[in-house]
Amino acid sequence: GAGVSQSPRYKVAKRGQDVALRCDPISGHVSLFWYQQALGQGPEFLTYFQNEAQLDKSGLPSDRFFAERPEGSVSTLKIQRTQQEDSAVYLCASSPFAPRENTGELFFGEGSRLTVL
Amino acid sequence: QKEVEQNSGPLSVPEGAIASLNCTYSDRGSQSFFWYRQYSGKSPELIMSIYSNGDKEDGRFTAQLNKASQYVSLLIRDSQPSDSATYLCAVNAPTGNQFYFGTGTSLTVIP
Repeated sequence: GAGVSQSPRYKVAKRGQDVALRCDPISGHVSLFWYQQALGQGPEFLTYFQNEAQLDKSGLPSDRFFAERPEGSVSTLKIQRTQQEDSAVYLCASSPFAPRENTGELFFGEGSRLTVL
Repeated sequence: QKEVEQNSGPLSVPEGAIASLNCTYSDRGSQSFFWYRQYSGKSPELIMSIYSNGDKEDGRFTAQLNKASQYVSLLIRDSQPSDSATYLCAVNAPTGNQFYFGTGTSLTVIP
């Protein structure tokens, strides 16, 4: 497809369940970001990949959060033992450039809205 | 102190007026500044980027940057109801691999 695709769009999980969120970036995009956006807030950085390398995971809130991009294209964000505070929209964004190349053209997916009951 | 600060609003302006949105940032080393628009329930989309001090105009939008004051603004001229959205200010993290976003300013243009 032409844009960033995320699935599922909506996910309801019971507290304690594991969830996996998928991101299919624009073909050929080097950079892939995961952001968490709580209701009424701006996106908060979670992690960054340059191709298959996870160069920054400083925003992951706990060791229950894990992300991978094994072949440098599709990425999965996994949340183990979900908690109510994990409820948010998880946004994936890709870019043809690395962040330090001074361009902020991030192409966002529609997001995956996670609700933990 | 958050890296990027915005007035969350809501900001209401009548149709045809100028809407002024403001943002301050904390890291003096930041070099790239962006405005994203986010409609309710949708993902952010880039509308303006600015890298040098001064003004940058694109159609009805003008971005202004003052690095000395660590201040970025967005002016929307001849505001339209379709401009009603949340506007996110974003700044690159010069020492990291990420972009910091503000909490967003909610704008409503009243017909």
